[in-house]
Amino acid sequence: SQQGEEDPQALSIQEGENATMNCSYKTSINNLQWYRQNSGRGLVHLILIRSNEREKHSGRLRVTLDTSKKSSSLLITASRAADTASYFCATDTGANSKLTFGKGITLSVRP
Amino acid sequence: DTAVSQTPKYLVTQMGNDKSIKCEQNLGHDTMYWYKQDSKKFLKIMFSYNNKELIINETVPNRFSPKSPDKAHLNLHINSLELGDSAVYFCASSQAASGRFWYEQYFGPGTRLTVT
Repeated sequence: SQQGEEDPQALSIQEGENATMNCSYKTSINNLQWYRQNSGRGLVHLILIRSNEREKHSGRLRVTLDTSKKSSSLLITASRAADTASYFCATDTGANSKLTFGKGITLSVRP
Repeated sequence: DTAVSQTPKYLVTQMGNDKSIKCEQNLGHDTMYWYKQDSKKFLKIMFSYNNKELIINETVPNRFSPKSPDKAHLNLHINSLELGDSAVYFCASSQAASGRFWYEQYFGPGTRLTVT
């Protein structure tokens, strides 16, 4: 069964607005990672947050992790048209040593 | 400078054929992976190698056989291709796991396989 589930499945916003994407997971994790995938390209790592961290920042990105709720959120502030992409959360449970990806969120930023 | 490269980028072939996809990374990573992304963008791990040793082998038909000649290369050979094999295949690499902690992964550009 799916470990990570992103929400919403699709998000459309105006340039300059903030975009918030959520990820929920089922089992305990060692870390949670967010990736971006532009159309027709490979995934690009954005940010990694460990299970003992609650918040992390990287440029216009802010990730939070709530292990009690088994959820994470990715906030992109002051969005740009270039942020249009699919965003995936991925969890590392330490089990079988693999990273499990969610189904992704399609973000469209209108100029 | 390409960190993780894959060839070919596109592969169109008929059912029953055998094909290979090559992957190379110049990041000095010890661990490499193969993922399959379906038409709904669902990304699923297939295999992982650490220093040429197979460490993850998901429930994948044995028509798929990975080979790692050295830690910078991980190739994927597919026998007797089926329509359902049509997907985008991604290679990725990362630093070796440290205990139970795994690092971020670096992905190649993908190989779009179309089986007709």
